[in-house]
Amino acid sequence: DVVMTQSPLSLPVTPGQPASISCRSSQSLVHSDGNTYLNWFYQRPGQSPRRLIYKVSNRDSGVPDRLSGNGSGTDFTLKISRVEAEDVGVYYCMQGTHRPYTFGQGTKLEVK
Amino acid sequence: VQLLESGGGLVQPGGSLRLSCTASGFIFSDFAMSWVRQAPGKGLDWVSSIDASGGKTYYADSVKGRFTISRDSSKNTVFLQMNSLRVEDTAVYYCARRMSTPGYWGQGTLVTVSS
Repeated sequence: DVVMTQSPLSLPVTPGQPASISCRSSQSLVHSDGNTYLNWFYQRPGQSPRRLIYKVSNRDSGVPDRLSGNGSGTDFTLKISRVEAEDVGVYYCMQGTHRPYTFGQGTKLEVK
Repeated sequence: VQLLESGGGLVQPGGSLRLSCTASGFIFSDFAMSWVRQAPGKGLDWVSSIDASGGKTYYADSVKGRFTISRDSSKNTVFLQMNSLRVEDTAVYYCARRMSTPGYWGQGTLVTVSS
C-alpha cells in the first residue's frame, strides 16, 4: 500500500502569516493515464471532509486563492499564503492513483 | 449535489448492517461512488468503491470478504452491506462521489459495533 506521510502533524500559525503542509508518498503518484491523483481535504470537527485541491494543484469551486497546491512524483505541498481564523481544522492529503487509496494522518492547523 | 447516508446504528460484533447513500443533483449513473470511514478521533480510511456501471468493485483489505458495495441506478442509491462486523469497524461512514478524486461527500452515518 502507498503510505502518505504528512508533516507537520500540528501547525500553530499567527493570523496573516503563511502556512505550509507537506505530503510525501512512498511511491510515485503518476498514474498510467498521465494524471497525478493527489487531493487535499479539509475537515472541521463534526463536519464532513471538504475537498480543496484535486490532481495536485486544481482548486475546487469556492476555495480561496490563498490556498494552493503543488508538487510532483512523491512530494507535494499545500500552502496557505495568509492564514485566517476560518482555516482552523484538520487537513488531509489523499492519493487516488493506486488502490487501496490512502490518506495522510492529518495536519491540525490552529490559529495562535 | 447531495449525498444522504442512512442505515447506521448499534450492532453487536458478528452482526450485519446495510448502509445506503441516496444521491441527487447529478446524473448518478455517470459517476463512480465510494465509501470512506473515520473511526472516532482518527483519520480518514478508504473502504470501497464501485465504478459508474456497477461492474467493477474495489475493497480495502480490512473489509474484503465481509463488505459488499452495490448500486441501484433506478434509485440513485449506493449500498454498503456490512457482515461479520468487528469492534474496529466502529466509525462514521461517508459516501463520496468518484473514486480517485472524491469531490462531494455526505454527512456520514455512525456505525457502532459493541456488545
